[in-house]
Amino acid sequence: AQSVTQLDSQVPVFEEAPVELRCNYSSSVSVYLFWYVQYPNQGLQLLLKYLSGSTLVESINGFEAEFNKSQTSFHLRKPSVHISDTAEYFCAVPGSGGSYIPTFGRGTSLIVHP
Amino acid sequence: NAGVTQTPKFQVLKTGQSMTLQCAQDMNHNSMYWYRQDPGMGLRLIYYSASEGTTDKGEVPNGYNVSRLNKREFSLRLESAAPSQTSVYFCASSEGDGTGELFFGEGSRLTVL
Repeated sequence: AQSVTQLDSQVPVFEEAPVELRCNYSSSVSVYLFWYVQYPNQGLQLLLKYLSGSTLVESINGFEAEFNKSQTSFHLRKPSVHISDTAEYFCAVPGSGGSYIPTFGRGTSLIVHP
Repeated sequence: NAGVTQTPKFQVLKTGQSMTLQCAQDMNHNSMYWYRQDPGMGLRLIYYSASEGTTDKGEVPNGYNVSRLNKREFSLRLESAAPSQTSVYFCASSEGDGTGELFFGEGSRLTVL
């Protein structure tokens, strides 16, 4: 079964600093990878996804993630964070065996300080 | 532009009481899911419905039942609530082919006393 590991439960940073949120996956089959964001008291929403093609994918609000097959990673980065980026971030992969049930990591809480 | 709608948003129950969380999506999605979110545990799948007329257990199904009433609606029932079921519950839907995103409701915060 596919799984994801988010290595950091909490990442505190100062505003305008760069940030990296780490995600590693385990899979022996073709991989689709997703990052979701959850703002306080809201549901999750898709931030970006990798299906195929270019290994670098970008979101509309300045985040990017790079699919690295050799390191089985899909780390999320932003060169300069804002207070409004404070949220919980979840890495996810679809399930295997035809069910496509998404499996989520435990989440990383990004806390941006002024 | 409703997307996924969950009701109620908040509920307080006493141990042993029953209740149903309602979920409806207007995107004509095939698959629907119920997750619970607890601090430090991420999202855990309770039940899912790959298509209308089918339901299957997820990671933590004990104490819950579901009904896929039609393609739009997927309800979650707690027959005899327990304090361990205090959580935030999320309904989600997707095309179900593994490549598309999940669309989530805003969540239902349940407290069992």
